Amino acid sequence: GAVVSQHPSWVICKSGTSVKIECRSLDFQATTMFWYRQFPKQSLMLMATSNEGSKATYEQGVEKDKFLINHASLTLSTLTVTSAHPEDSSFYICSAFGGETGNTIYFGEGSWLTVV
Amino acid sequence: QQQVKQSPQSLIVQKGGISIINCAYENTAFDYFPWYQQFPGKGPALLIAIRPDVSEKKEGRFTISFNKSAKQFSLHIMDSQPGDSATYFCAAHPKSGAGSYQLTFGKGTKLSVIP
Repeated sequence: GAVVSQHPSWVICKSGTSVKIECRSLDFQATTMFWYRQFPKQSLMLMATSNEGSKATYEQGVEKDKFLINHASLTLSTLTVTSAHPEDSSFYICSAFGGETGNTIYFGEGSWLTVV
Repeated sequence: QQQVKQSPQSLIVQKGGISIINCAYENTAFDYFPWYQQFPGKGPALLIAIRPDVSEKKEGRFTISFNKSAKQFSLHIMDSQPGDSATYFCAAHPKSGAGSYQLTFGKGTKLSVIP
């Protein structure tokens, strides 16, 4: 199946700093990418939908100025957590979809963020 | 209307037994129903998926049963193995219109297969 790669797999940052997470589709062009947040033992919570070349659409309650999403190319989307705080610590997962994948949406391996 | 209800929350099955996880949805615009398997600390991996024009799909030990009129679908894992122990999520998305390809997830089922 198609491969979606996330980097870094885990990151520790200091409170008040910003951290960037990358999501890449390795073997298909991802016209749409989704960013999720997952707390322990819970389901995935959609944060935003990004289409290549346009602004991301954020879900209700997600601060767009805090979670900056960029989808500048058909193979790369980035999530930047700005001015991170301990409550932003979570597992962040991206998924991607493109015409070549049919209906299938593929997920990355996730990125653990710990803010200390 | 966007909800997907999944049950049970947790499931313990003996090795070799059948694991059954059920999901129900309300949004009739949903057009694609995938199941994802997630191991701790990893992203979800697509297991099997079905379209509403098919009542059953089988891939190896995994079978999806789909009941369009009842708006229910289920995952059956035959001959369950300890390596199947993971959290399983059902999901659904509409193919077109508002929220197209935007997955709505169930809350997940933690499956434990004991030897």
